[in-house]
Amino acid sequence: QVQLVQSGAEVKKPGASVKVSCKVSGYTLTELSMHWVRQAPGKGLEWMGGFDPEDGETIYAQKFQGRVTMTEDTSTDTAYMELSSLRSEDTAVYYCAVKTPGNWFDPWGQGTLVTVSS
Amino acid sequence: SYELTQPPSVSVSPGQTARITCSGDALPKQYAYWYQQKPGQAPVLVIYKDSERPSGIPERFSGSSSGTTVTLTISGVQAEDEADYYCQSADSSGSWVFGGGTKLTVL
Repeated sequence: QVQLVQSGAEVKKPGASVKVSCKVSGYTLTELSMHWVRQAPGKGLEWMGGFDPEDGETIYAQKFQGRVTMTEDTSTDTAYMELSSLRSEDTAVYYCAVKTPGNWFDPWGQGTLVTVSS
Repeated sequence: SYELTQPPSVSVSPGQTARITCSGDALPKQYAYWYQQKPGQAPVLVIYKDSERPSGIPERFSGSSSGTTVTLTISGVQAEDEADYYCQSADSSGSWVFGGGTKLTVL
């Protein structure tokens, strides 16, 4: 059974970058399609991007292209999401989630709160 | 950009049936998935591929599809079903989209 454990909460200033990690256990990261979803306070879920196993590429939501980078360290089975040029609107809980072959997201990490404030 | 439209809120009394809709132009061609999210928790899948129920999800949860609208139905609503519900699907480019979410209130 796949389990995902994310890194702890972060506080960043506007303009800075943040890197959130997601440690996989129960499977190896190479067997999974890892994605990232965020949720601003009191708002809905927003897909940011993830690994597409069909073409071996990472795809990003258009909204985040140029500002987000998703990487994987297969030696430690850890996925990373780095978001740059942070602004207050990026304050949110960031989740990693596995996209199954059936195209739903399960399981999810516990979430990482990123607060952007001067 | 592609959007999935949900009602912001639905309210029902215990024991009644709640229906939450999700509309999107690509839904006739793409499956929809439904998640339940309670405060402070990560989302949990309750319906996949329009109408399939994962193991461990109560039978009172069901899904259906008609044209550009998919519907999550909760029969015999219980207090514990009070939560936010989100639909998810894909657009034509292979990107994934969530609906805006529906807050289910059990009166």
